[in-house]
Amino acid sequence: EIVLTQSPGTLSLSPGERATLSCRASQSVSSSYLAWYQQKPGQAPRLLIYGASSRATGIPDRFSGSGSGTDFTLTISRLEPEDFAVYYCQQYGSSPGSTFGQGTKLEIK
Amino acid sequence: EVQLVESGGGLVQPGRSLRLSCAASGFTFDDYAMHWVRQAPGKGLEWVSGISWNSGSIGYADSVKGRFTISRDNAKNSLYLQMNSLRAEDTALYYCAKDKNGGFSEPFDYWGQGTLVTVSS
Repeated sequence: EIVLTQSPGTLSLSPGERATLSCRASQSVSSSYLAWYQQKPGQAPRLLIYGASSRATGIPDRFSGSGSGTDFTLTISRLEPEDFAVYYCQQYGSSPGSTFGQGTKLEIK
Repeated sequence: EVQLVESGGGLVQPGRSLRLSCAASGFTFDDYAMHWVRQAPGKGLEWVSGISWNSGSIGYADSVKGRFTISRDNAKNSLYLQMNSLRAEDTALYYCAKDKNGGFSEPFDYWGQGTLVTVSS
């Protein structure tokens, strides 16, 4: 099973700043089958990025993903108030199925 | 509009069983793999199980293997999770989620709002 480790656990930033979130895999993620999700309190997760760097439908271009192999990054170029949430990475290319990272909480400084 | 509506959650004693359902609409159900993902109170996301469009590929997390069974009825546009030998650590909000592109190795582009399972005596 591929274990995903996200860092930092909590990130405190101000609106307008740039956020960089990391996701490291215990072994290589095949074909960059790596996704990022945003979850706000009381809501289901929302798909942001898939294939490591492709934005999902309707996702603003301030969200971008990069990386390959075992190291992946989600970048939010200029934080908007609605971006403060918990972010999860997910790998979906290995057997028997997916695994998620433990999450990064992005909070307002 | 894609809709996924979970049901069947509730309070159950340890060792007992529960069956969750997910009613899907707004897309061609039998074109897509489906999954169950859970979230314990205040915790992160945990993939539980997935099933391909024709039930030919099925996977389970190690934490539920041998106790939970995923199934689907394409005629009824419904996904199920039979949960047996429930434990306190199975307490969570259970989400139903849809694969994005129809393969088994895909991200999840739509999620339901979840159904809460509480395992306690």
